[in-house]
Amino acid sequence: DAKTTQPPSMDCAEGRAANLPCNHSTISGNEYVYWYRQIHSQGPQYIIHGLKNNETNEMASLIITEDRKSSTLILPHATLRDTAVYYCIVRAAYNNDMRFGAGTRLTVKP
Amino acid sequence: EPEVTQTPSHQVTQMGQEVILRCVPISNHLYFYWYRQILGQKVEFLVSFYNNEISEKSEIFDDQFSVERPDGSNFTLKIRSTKLEDSAMYFCASTLGLAGSNEQFFGPGTRLTVL
Repeated sequence: DAKTTQPPSMDCAEGRAANLPCNHSTISGNEYVYWYRQIHSQGPQYIIHGLKNNETNEMASLIITEDRKSSTLILPHATLRDTAVYYCIVRAAYNNDMRFGAGTRLTVKP
Repeated sequence: EPEVTQTPSHQVTQMGQEVILRCVPISNHLYFYWYRQILGQKVEFLVSFYNNEISEKSEIFDDQFSVERPDGSNFTLKIRSTKLEDSAMYFCASTLGLAGSNEQFFGPGTRLTVL
């Protein structure tokens, strides 16, 4: 699976959009981009994933660049409960496991 | 909404003792996983399980570890002789299929403390 690079930490004001970047310059054609988050020591929570196209669900939007070498997770209206560590994971189709890195610690401030 | 459950939420044991951590994956899922997270460190893959056998394991998953699906619902991780360094959060996960479009759903974890 391709390696990902994320900033170690970010702050965001409550109510504003949180934009979390991820670089995956060595991504290959059959690899998906997944985003998970972990609030405190809870189990990782699935947020969204995509292959080529931008995706949106009730939690977030995922913007993948045309060359697929980077992506951005957007939380449109961050709340205090969105404070967590956010993980960007690149995973090949038919690979068994999720390889977590250090992620980005997002702090949403009032 | 269906979810992965794990028991117990916290297990305290003495070094050298055997522990069994239990998980109930989402009912129609076919692939099951164990991960661990040592305090302050990243989440690490341990093992994946499909069709009643291990499909992949990491270098962490040595002979002290074993997994089993004893019935149609439970998925267990056994550590035969616990060491201090086994203290960690252990997360179970499940997924419907291996295709890249299938997300893994994680349980809330079991905190294992080895004294």
